[in-house]
Order: sequence, then C-alpha cells, then structure tokens
Amino acid sequence: EPEVTQTPSHQVTQMGQEVILRCVPISNHLYFYWYRQILGQKVEFLVSFYNNEISEKSEIFDDQFSVERPDGSNFTLKIRSTKLEDSAMYFCATQALGDETQYFGPGTRLLVL
Amino acid sequence: AQTVTQSQPEMSVQEAETVTLSCTYDTSESDYYLFWYKQPPSRQMILVIRQEAYKQQNATENRFSVNFQKAAKSFSLKISDSQLGDAAMYFCAYRSATSGTYKYIFGTGTRLKVLA
Repeated sequence: EPEVTQTPSHQVTQMGQEVILRCVPISNHLYFYWYRQILGQKVEFLVSFYNNEISEKSEIFDDQFSVERPDGSNFTLKIRSTKLEDSAMYFCATQALGDETQYFGPGTRLLVL
Repeated sequence: AQTVTQSQPEMSVQEAETVTLSCTYDTSESDYYLFWYKQPPSRQMILVIRQEAYKQQNATENRFSVNFQKAAKSFSLKISDSQLGDAAMYFCAYRSATSGTYKYIFGTGTRLKVLA
C-alpha cells in the first residue's frame, strides 16, 4: 500500500538555524499539508498547498515558514530561523483529488536547542 | 470557527472488552466530514474511520464503529473486543465540505490504555 514518507525522522538544530523538512507524497495525490504537534498537545494545521501554490495557511505559518515542491515530487517545509518554540513533531499529509481523507506521513521530530 | 472537543484525556479498557471514546464538535455547517485517527507510540497518524455528515448510517470498520449524532454534534468511537495493539492516542478530526477549506481541525486526543 502506498505511503507518505518523510525525512529526516529526527532533526536537532541550533536556534537561528534553517531547517528543511521533506515529504514524498503518494504518487497520485495533488493536495499537500503540513501540520505540527507540540509535545503533549493537539495536532495543528500549518499550511495547505495545491497546484504549486499555498491554498490556505494558519496564523502559525508566518514569514519564517515556506513551502515548495521543487522537483514535482518532494514537498518541503522550510523554517528559516528556528526558535525554541518550533520544537515539535511535523506531519506531512497528502490527499487525492476527490478524496476527503488525508494520509499522514510518520512525522519529523524537530528539536531546537 | 469550528471546534472539536474530546473531554476524556485518558481511558482504560480491559482486553477483549468494549470502550467508547467521546468527541463533540461545533459547527454551523451542514455538510462536513469527521474522522478518527490513531496515534500509537511511534507517533504515526493512522486513519481509523471516517464519516460523511450527509450519511445517516454510522460508519463501521471491523471492530471500530461510530455513533454519529448530527443534531447533538456528537461523534463517538466504539472499539469492540479491544486488543493490546489498540493502545494509542486517538484523535477526532473535523473537515468542512463546503467552505473551501480542506484543513483538518483536531481535538486534544484521548489516550487509550488496554489492560491485559
């Protein structure tokens, strides 16, 4: 069964550094999402992406964040200058056209020191 | 704005018994989707079951079933014949079908413990 994959599984970085989180969606999926989950809290929506542009973003998704699909396959989330409060699990989710279900990747655990 | 509430932070069930996890939501929309996701210790989010609001029939998937009460805005998950592998965090999620937004809104989760 096709799966969403994410790399890296874990990332430790220093405050102020840039990180790029990568997601490989299921091959026929056209809608892409990033969510985050701070330890012990609920999963929160960050951004949705369709047809090579952002379709919706939350208040969390400020100028420090960006998304792109540089090569038509990988879907990336970049955090330009990480803060301590960016420490969280980041989930990529993808969705096929006409399907209401989002399929989640295994997540990237980001720790900012 | 829509909200999702899971009022049970933690539940326990004896192996082979049945447990019901509660979820309520608030929305002014008439058409939407509801989901239950399971998050085991590995933290992967796994779809358990989904329900379309326009369908009156409750969704079922093997040992998992829902009790969808649209008027009460309630969407509970029943797990029958509980197994040790069911131990996980369970999240209820809402998605609009009409407002042009496809994002999920999650509840705070219920941690399910299965006792041998």
